[in-house]
Amino acid sequence: EAQVTQNPRYLITVTGKKLTVTCSQNMNHEYMSWYRQDPGLGLRQIYYSMNVEVTDKGDVPEGYKVSRKEKRNFPLILESPSPNQTSLYFCASSTAEWTWGTQYFGPGTRLTVL
Amino acid sequence: AQTVTQSQPEMSVQEAETVTLSCTYDTSESDYYLFWYKQPPSRQMILVIRQEAYKQQNATENRFSVNFQKAAKSFSLKISDSQLGDAAMYFCAYRSREGTYKYIFGTGTRLKVLA
Repeated sequence: EAQVTQNPRYLITVTGKKLTVTCSQNMNHEYMSWYRQDPGLGLRQIYYSMNVEVTDKGDVPEGYKVSRKEKRNFPLILESPSPNQTSLYFCASSTAEWTWGTQYFGPGTRLTVL
Repeated sequence: AQTVTQSQPEMSVQEAETVTLSCTYDTSESDYYLFWYKQPPSRQMILVIRQEAYKQQNATENRFSVNFQKAAKSFSLKISDSQLGDAAMYFCAYRSREGTYKYIFGTGTRLKVLA
């Protein structure tokens, strides 16, 4: 089954404790993205990757890091989480074709930083 | 920078009736994609419909259709014969076709369907 998986689905942590949210896709997609969703703000893009070893900032990259060492994986790293990073996070992937670029989304990760 | 605006935070529709959700955007680009995504209570993001800016014909997917007005930078979603399962948050999204892979989403419209 074609899918984007994220782990963990729920996470409660404390300020300053480094964490990683994993994202993996099995569709051989070149493009992958991370978003955060907050009430009243919609989805905002954090980082995206156009291929292995190629990443770029979205609209809200501060406080986040990403890496793309393998095509299928695109982990999101919070080196020193703060309460304002409490949010719902989505990973998404799509093909490299410029015709559509339709994104497939993961199920989301609910992060709470105390 | 591009922006996407959804001015209706919440809307209601009677079952079997038609409803239109509004979306406007701002861009200086001439070639781009526009999307409507649905997010039900499960939080899963589901693509509803998509439109290429260079295509004048409005996209249609079963009960869902769009009214794309490029000059006015408007991209509204019409849902016909509304069903209870259509109740969800709907997001309008923009993606440039001119070199970047940046997506811009609106703030969403919550649609309630009344039985």
